[in-house]
Order: sequence, then C-alpha cells, then structure tokens
Amino acid sequence: AQKVTQAQTEISVVEKEDVTLDCVYETRDTTYYLFWYKQPPSGELVFLIRRNSFDEQNEISGRYSWNFQKSTSSFNFTITASQVVDSAVYFCALSEAYETSGSRLTFGEGTQLTVNP
Amino acid sequence: ETGVTQSPTHLIKTRGQQVTLRCSSQSGHNTVSWYQQALGQGPQFIFQYYREEENGRGNFPPRFSGLQFPNYSSELNVNALELDDSALYLCASSLEPGGGATDTQYFGPGTRLTVL
Repeated sequence: AQKVTQAQTEISVVEKEDVTLDCVYETRDTTYYLFWYKQPPSGELVFLIRRNSFDEQNEISGRYSWNFQKSTSSFNFTITASQVVDSAVYFCALSEAYETSGSRLTFGEGTQLTVNP
Repeated sequence: ETGVTQSPTHLIKTRGQQVTLRCSSQSGHNTVSWYQQALGQGPQFIFQYYREEENGRGNFPPRFSGLQFPNYSSELNVNALELDDSALYLCASSLEPGGGATDTQYFGPGTRLTVL
C-alpha cells in the first residue's frame, strides 16, 4: 500500500525566511507520480507541481523549489524568501498509475505553514 | 477556460438523511474524482468516474455512490448520513484517468457538509 508522511504538522516563520516542507513516501510501484498542493483557508486545493518517478531532476519555479530523491523516498518543497501570502496548508500526494482502474491520489496529513509579517 | 465548480458550497443535514453533491469538470476534462477531507486531515479518495463508469474506488461503504453524465459532470450521493460524514467534499477533474502526463487532478472549491 502507498503512504505519504509529512512529519511537520505546523511550521511558523517570519516573512523573508526560507522554509522547507518535508515529504516522505512509500510505494511498491516503480512508476509513480508525486505532487504538491496548496490549500488556503478558502479550501480549494491548488496544484503546484507534478514529478514523475523516473525524473529526479530538481525543479525551481520562482521562489519555489523541489528536491526529489528516490534513494531516500523524499520529495521536499522549499519556499525561498517566504511571504505572508504563502500561509496555507501544504499537501504532498502520491499517485500510482492504474492503467485500467484509474489513478488515485494518496495525500499526507498536510503541513500548516504560517508566515508572520 | 472554466475551472472545476462544485455546488452547493455548504450544506447542513441530519443523521439518516441523504445528500447529493454536484461537480462540473474543467473544460476538456473527461475524468472526475471525489475526495473526503475531514477537519485537520488530508483528503481521502472516494472514487473516480471515467466515461460515465466508476473507475476505481477507495475504502468507502456502498452508501457512497456516484454518477457521471455525458457532459462529464458528476454527482456524489451519500445515503443514511452519519455524524462522521461531516467533512469537506472535494471534486477533481483530469484529462485522463491514469498514467502518463495527463492525469494531474485539478480541484474545485469543495462542499462543506455538516451532519447533525
């Protein structure tokens, strides 16, 4: 069975600090997909990034960066120079590709990030 | 391009009642997935619909059922509501159901269900 663990329940930082959100996953599949979503207080899950299991290249998008390491089954998310608008719950999720039975997302428990001015 | 929409936004029901939640998928998307998110937890997969048929189901009892229509919109029905059914119900749509680069799921704003 697949599992996603986000050990950090809550993180509080001061604006302009860098912050890293940890994600560790378990799966028996060799092909899988990893995601990060952001959930602001409004409740809607906002897609941030998707990473395929066969692509370990790190990615940077503006102030966001992701570090994927298959050797440690981790997919960590770093926000550089955090801003108050980054305050939200962040979810890491795993999808195994079920070609005939759909793909389901398995989510971690989420990390509540609070950025204080 | 229209995103995923859900209705209603909020709903209050009493134990034992039945409820129907609705979802319209993003333009061009033919797959809809439903998730239940209890307070303070991550979303849990309920089921997925593709081409009007159930295409995968999570660990939820049969009183959770769904439909997908020819226009790819979807309904989630819950019978015999229980107090533990109180949660945020999220709908997500994707281009295809599984594998490849086309199954990224995009979520709607959710329906907050309260069961008294």
